[in-house]
Amino acid sequence: EDQVTQSPEALRLQEGESSSLNCSYTVSGLRGLFWYRQDPGKGPEFLFTLYSAGEEKEKERLKATLTKKESFLHITAPKPEDSATYLCAVFYSGNTPLVFGKGTRLSVIA
Amino acid sequence: DGGITQSPKYLFRKEGQNVTLSCEQNLNHDAMYWYRQDPGQGLRLIYYSQIVNDFQKGDIAEGYSVSREKKESFPLTVTSAQKNPTAFYLCASSMYRGLTEAFFGQGTRLTVV
Repeated sequence: EDQVTQSPEALRLQEGESSSLNCSYTVSGLRGLFWYRQDPGKGPEFLFTLYSAGEEKEKERLKATLTKKESFLHITAPKPEDSATYLCAVFYSGNTPLVFGKGTRLSVIA
Repeated sequence: DGGITQSPKYLFRKEGQNVTLSCEQNLNHDAMYWYRQDPGQGLRLIYYSQIVNDFQKGDIAEGYSVSREKKESFPLTVTSAQKNPTAFYLCASSMYRGLTEAFFGQGTRLTVV
């Protein structure tokens, strides 16, 4: 069973059409949840860290929120340059480093 | 500029060959990681290291080996025992294991020819 599940797998939006990406996790003892952006053929780029339920972080058109079971990445009025794969990762009470979800591929059409 | 450098960007391996992927960081980070990325699979952990001369296996360590002789360097060797090595390999580092964000290199794409 996957510990981190991202949905949808792919999302196609018109420019300016706001939406949300979901990251749900089943691990207990969450100590941190991380969002990354990855462009094709490149390494992931760090976006946000969330540590506790109720926390929110914003950067330009992106806003990340965290509850006890999931996180959302809200994209407001997206532009074509927001097209990328968005990855979610968690760190929890255990011995393993970050556990990643499979990502959401976002396409924003002009 | 501070960052993580992976080399080469593209690597081709013949059947039965061992190849080594380089990863260097100048961020003074303690922890370093190697992930493998396949289409539709997300990032899977191969090996990680928290301090010099110490490393642990991740979820898919079979057919791979690493060393951590210097804080700045964490090379990954893909051995002939790895039956399906074609993938995108990502190196990352963080200040402390998991407690702070990990920063990634630009990746090495390995292809078996």
